[in-house]
Amino acid sequence: GAGVSQSPRYKVAKRGQDVALRCDPISGHVSLFWYQQALGQGPEFLTYFQNEAQLDKSGLPSDRFFAERPEGSVSTLKIQRTQQEDSAVYLCASSLGWTQYFGPGTRLLVL
Amino acid sequence: DAKTTQPPSMDCAEGRAANLPCNHSTISGNEYVYWYRQIHSQGPQYIIHGLKNNETNEMASLIITEDRKSSTLILPHATLRDTAVYYCIVRVATDNFNKFYFGSGTKLNVKP
Repeated sequence: GAGVSQSPRYKVAKRGQDVALRCDPISGHVSLFWYQQALGQGPEFLTYFQNEAQLDKSGLPSDRFFAERPEGSVSTLKIQRTQQEDSAVYLCASSLGWTQYFGPGTRLLVL
Repeated sequence: DAKTTQPPSMDCAEGRAANLPCNHSTISGNEYVYWYRQIHSQGPQYIIHGLKNNETNEMASLIITEDRKSSTLILPHATLRDTAVYYCIVRVATDNFNKFYFGSGTKLNVKP
């Protein structure tokens, strides 16, 4: 069946621009996670949704980062006033049980 | 913070078994060990997980020591397509959900 999809796959932004990254989880998956992966590092947790409820956002690095999942399916990660240090791969994962299934990621480059 | 320690890289000859070690000396009794791998420019892919017993599936085997402070992922017959970064993860239960802590992983190079 279809896996987790993310769009765009690549995004180049000028410093100060706002960006929106989309995640389409596997149909029926209740849980949705966002991760940030810097070059050469493992993914780091950003935030977690259970259906439409954002139950943990402890990993969001600043108040410029905002995530939503209004209908409990598609999720959007928004970064306002992007900075160069925001350049990374942003991964989305969904799960029904304990195992998380990851999308291909969005590679964000802030110039 | 990552709760696991892995060597940064390993080499393996094609067709041979790849044994990837992981230390998780602070693991708690109800925390699972998960293994994922990430091939270049793709998202992490689930391989296997376990609590205390050894586990095997079509991709790999997971050997967990009796004290649970370390584990080894075994790819029985490595192929060139197994070249990837392998992450050993401890799944930590929080109030709301189970959180994955990734480390930096082991880059496995399978050579012909």
